[in-house]
Amino acid sequence: SQQGEEDPQALSIQEGENATMNCSYKTSINNLQWYRQNSGRGLVHLILIRSNEREKHSGRLRVTLDTSKKSSSLLITASRAADTASYFCAPRASTLTFGKGTMLLVSP
Amino acid sequence: DGGITQSPKYLFRKEGQNVTLSCEQNLNHDAMYWYRQDPGQGLRLIYYSQIVNDFQKGDIAEGYSVSREKKESFPLTVTSAQKNPTAFYLCASGEAANTGELFFGEGSRLTVL
Repeated sequence: SQQGEEDPQALSIQEGENATMNCSYKTSINNLQWYRQNSGRGLVHLILIRSNEREKHSGRLRVTLDTSKKSSSLLITASRAADTASYFCAPRASTLTFGKGTMLLVSP
Repeated sequence: DGGITQSPKYLFRKEGQNVTLSCEQNLNHDAMYWYRQDPGQGLRLIYYSQIVNDFQKGDIAEGYSVSREKKESFPLTVTSAQKNPTAFYLCASGEAANTGELFFGEGSRLTVL
């Protein structure tokens, strides 16, 4: 089944720095979504980008999509300690599948 | 408040026992999903349902069963046939298949002793 692969697996930065996470997938998609998960909690939807879109913004989040390379990136600008969480990309074909995520640690 | 509720949050069972995890949503969503999450494995799809009285197997359905008798409810039974049931189980719902975002519950952590 279609599944995104996030890179890096873990990322550690200081508050105020930007965090970039990448996602690669293998087949055609309808859209690609990014989710966030705090430890021991459910996932929360962050942003959806359609297959005919190249870039989308939401607050401090910027997502890009390159369907020719089958890749996406999530940029969090001016990170805060509260951004510490795992981030998952989810390519959407017939169902929504998730990779192993990127664990982001933002230190004060 | 609208949302998706999973219960119980923590569950302990002995080997060989079946256990049922509850998932209820009041978002009027047609589609509902069950995922399993293990450390370092990400989320894996167990079962999903796009409409009442219908459901499909996901990638790891063996040892699990579901029912969808009501739009609001999608319970998951972890049977004794599931070889390694200890995991974090997440239920989600969405407006329609193949399109939009999913809304997740807070998860149920099952530990088999």
